[in-house]
Amino acid sequence: GAVVSQHPSWVICKSGTSVKIECRSLDFQATTMFWYRQFPKQSLMLMATSNEGSKATYEQGVEKDKFLINHASLTLSTLTVTSAHPEDSSFYICSARGEGAKNIQYFGAGTRLSVL
Amino acid sequence: DQQVKQNSPSLSVQEGRISILNCDYTNSMFDYFLWYKKYPAEGPTFLISISSIKDKNEDGRFTVFLNKSAKHLSLHIVPSQPGDSAVYFCAASASTGKLIFGQGTTLQVKP
Repeated sequence: GAVVSQHPSWVICKSGTSVKIECRSLDFQATTMFWYRQFPKQSLMLMATSNEGSKATYEQGVEKDKFLINHASLTLSTLTVTSAHPEDSSFYICSARGEGAKNIQYFGAGTRLSVL
Repeated sequence: DQQVKQNSPSLSVQEGRISILNCDYTNSMFDYFLWYKKYPAEGPTFLISISSIKDKNEDGRFTVFLNKSAKHLSLHIVPSQPGDSAVYFCAASASTGKLIFGQGTTLQVKP
């Protein structure tokens, strides 16, 4: 299957700082990338959808000014959590989908964010 | 409103036997269904998928069945192996391509 790399896998930051998470498709061009958040023992909740070269589409209830998404190339999307607070602590996962992928999304390994 | 539901939070099966994981959905616009396997602190791994024009898709030990009239799909794993122990998510998508995930079922395969 296709490989998606997500970095970092774990980050601890102080409240009020910003954190950037990278998502790369290693062996295919990802026309669309998705960002999810997972709370403990819960399902994956879609935060936003990003297409290369255009603005991300955010799901209802997700603050676009807090969760900045950039999809600058066909292999890279970034999620920046701005002015992080303890309630932003969570597991963030990206996924990527190529052209003609028949709705199959390939996921990164996830990033555990802990805000102190 | 939970559009994709996995009503069994956990399932325990003996090694070598069949594991059957179930999933129900409510949105008739869904036309593509997927199963993912997930270990703790890792991203989901794609297992198998099925289009709404089919009722069965098989890949090795994994078979997915779709009953459109009942809005129900199931994943069969046979024979089950201890390495299959993980959380299994079903997901559904419509024309937007966005995936809607169920809550997950934790499968434990006992040696």
